[in-house]
Amino acid sequence: KQEVTQIPAALSVPEGENLVLNCSFTDSAIYNLQWFRQDPGKGLTSLLLIQSSQREQTSGRLNASLDKSSGRSTLYIAASQPGDSATYLCAVLRLGNEKLTFGTGTRLTIIP
Amino acid sequence: GAVVSQHPSWVICKSGTSVKIECRSLDFQATTMFWYRQFPKQSLMLMATSNEGSKATYEQGVEKDKFLINHASLTLSTLTVTSAHPEDSSFYICSVGRGGANVLTFGAGSRLTVL
Repeated sequence: KQEVTQIPAALSVPEGENLVLNCSFTDSAIYNLQWFRQDPGKGLTSLLLIQSSQREQTSGRLNASLDKSSGRSTLYIAASQPGDSATYLCAVLRLGNEKLTFGTGTRLTIIP
Repeated sequence: GAVVSQHPSWVICKSGTSVKIECRSLDFQATTMFWYRQFPKQSLMLMATSNEGSKATYEQGVEKDKFLINHASLTLSTLTVTSAHPEDSSFYICSVGRGGANVLTFGAGSRLTVL
């Protein structure tokens, strides 16, 4: 059974700092990995999707990497802003399975 | 990606009543939709896969008679929580997959509070 873990569970950093969020998964037989953002009481916004054959994806200040063999992904946020404050979730899609398995999330607070 | 609308966004009901939540795919004909549940400070857990024109597929531990799913058209799936109890209070989110779950778009979610 696929298990997805995110560390840390919560993170507070001053505005302007670069930061890294971590995601690990136990089964490397994945189709893709996605990073989502969730604001309090809201739905999910997809940030980046990395196919299993890719090593990284970039969008603006966000960069996500994937090391499938070690079961790890990181989300790098550059020059953090207060508007980046949210919960960040990673999720993996298993090969031959249409179901996403979500991580436990990291609650990020950017301090102005 | 697809645009997904959920209604209601917030509902409060008395214990023992039933509540229906709608998930609409506004610009994409979805043969498959997914229903997730999220308890406070926890991650999303898949409840069931909604299949247009056929029965939903439920995840282990999810009572199909309690969480009724209907996917009668390519743009609408409904989740009915029957005989709701306080422990059913949660955030319910649907998602639409294009050609399976490879790329998913999520609704804004529906928060259910059962008194």
